[in-house]
Order: sequence, then C-alpha cells, then structure tokens
Amino acid sequence: NAGVTQTPKFRVLKTGQSMTLLCAQDMNHEYMYWYRQDPGMGLRLIHYSVGEGTTAKGEVPDGYNVSRLKKQNFLLGLESAAPSQTSVYFCASSYIRSNYGYTFGSGTRLTVV
Amino acid sequence: SQELEQSPQSLIVQEGKNLTINCTSSKTLYGLYWYKQKYGEGLIFLMMLQKGGEEKSHEKITAKLDEKKQQSSLHITASQPSHAGIYLCGADGEKGTYKYIFGTGTRLKVLA
Repeated sequence: NAGVTQTPKFRVLKTGQSMTLLCAQDMNHEYMYWYRQDPGMGLRLIHYSVGEGTTAKGEVPDGYNVSRLKKQNFLLGLESAAPSQTSVYFCASSYIRSNYGYTFGSGTRLTVV
Repeated sequence: SQELEQSPQSLIVQEGKNLTINCTSSKTLYGLYWYKQKYGEGLIFLMMLQKGGEEKSHEKITAKLDEKKQQSSLHITASQPSHAGIYLCGADGEKGTYKYIFGTGTRLKVLA
C-alpha cells in the first residue's frame, strides 16, 4: 500500500504561472483534503472533498481550485501563482468518520518567485 | 471559530527525561487527535480521544483528554532521539462538519 502519494515533491514557479498538484490515495477513502503549512500558522485547510465529484471550501480557499473526478484522486490547482502561495502543501485522506485519523502525504514544497 | 493552542512551542530535553505537551481548545472538543511530523515529512497519526477523561497509550506516549473536553496533554516517558519531531493536535472544528483544525505544533528535540 502506497497510502497517499503527492506529486511533485518540489516546485518553483514564477508569479503568474499555473500548476496542478496531484494527490492519489489507494485506501478507498471517501474524504480527501488539501492543507497548507506555514511557519507560525500551522496547518490550514484549503479545500476538501467528501466524495467523488464533490468539493467544498476550507479556511483559505482563495487562489486555489480543486477537482475530484475520481475517488482516488484530488487535484489542487493554482491558476495564477502569487508569492503568498509559497508554502508546503499536504494532501490527506480519511474514512467517512475520522476515528482513525487522517493519512497524510509527504508534502509538496512550492516556492513562488 | 475554534482555535487550538499548543504549549510549549518548542522543547529541548535530555534523552531519558519525561515531557508533556499541552493542547487547549477555545471550545468543547468532539474529537481530539495527536499527530507527529518528522522534519520535512508528512504527519503520522498517533491517537484519537473522544470522551471526557479518556486516556490512551502507545508505546511510551500517553494522551489524555480532560473531563471538560477542552484540554488534552501528550506525555512522553523516558524520551528517546526517535521521539524528536513536531507534535500537532487536531480537532473536529465543529460537530457534524468535516473541517479539521490544527494547533501550531510543538517542536521537540531530544539530546542524546
């Protein structure tokens, strides 16, 4: 079992460029989440999905879009990257009830210059 | 909105020493989760607490949730270098929602 796989692991973007972060899970989890982690701010929820074809906004959704066309994949898109989006991005997934916690990917370190 | 405050923000202990990390919520906790993050990696789930007064242990790590369900503590006994990392508490933001919130983390360093 690979668990939660994020690609890419590192990326440097220029301001205004676009990119997509891919998250794939092989545990048949219903729920998937995108978080960003910044020093002193902890983990903040960007968007989440409670099932295939559904998405919802989290705490800091501006500047990001997401799609969940397949149950196992959750994509995070940046249409026009800004330096404020420099961060470490984590994807996570869980069963319907989070009694067993979330399974996290290893993160994507994004720098926008 | 609910907030989770962790203390201390950082901790340096000598190997073999015990330590405690606290997580305090501004509202009643419906589910409290502890995670460990190794530097540069993702989070690993440690344990979950739901009931007031509940206590769980995994190897040398014990977590407790107070009776009022607004504070949790994580206690490590006889710390080892392998315990080093960032410990984060997480909670169900509101009952019936899927929005998880996290504390800002406690950075632990264990000196050999």
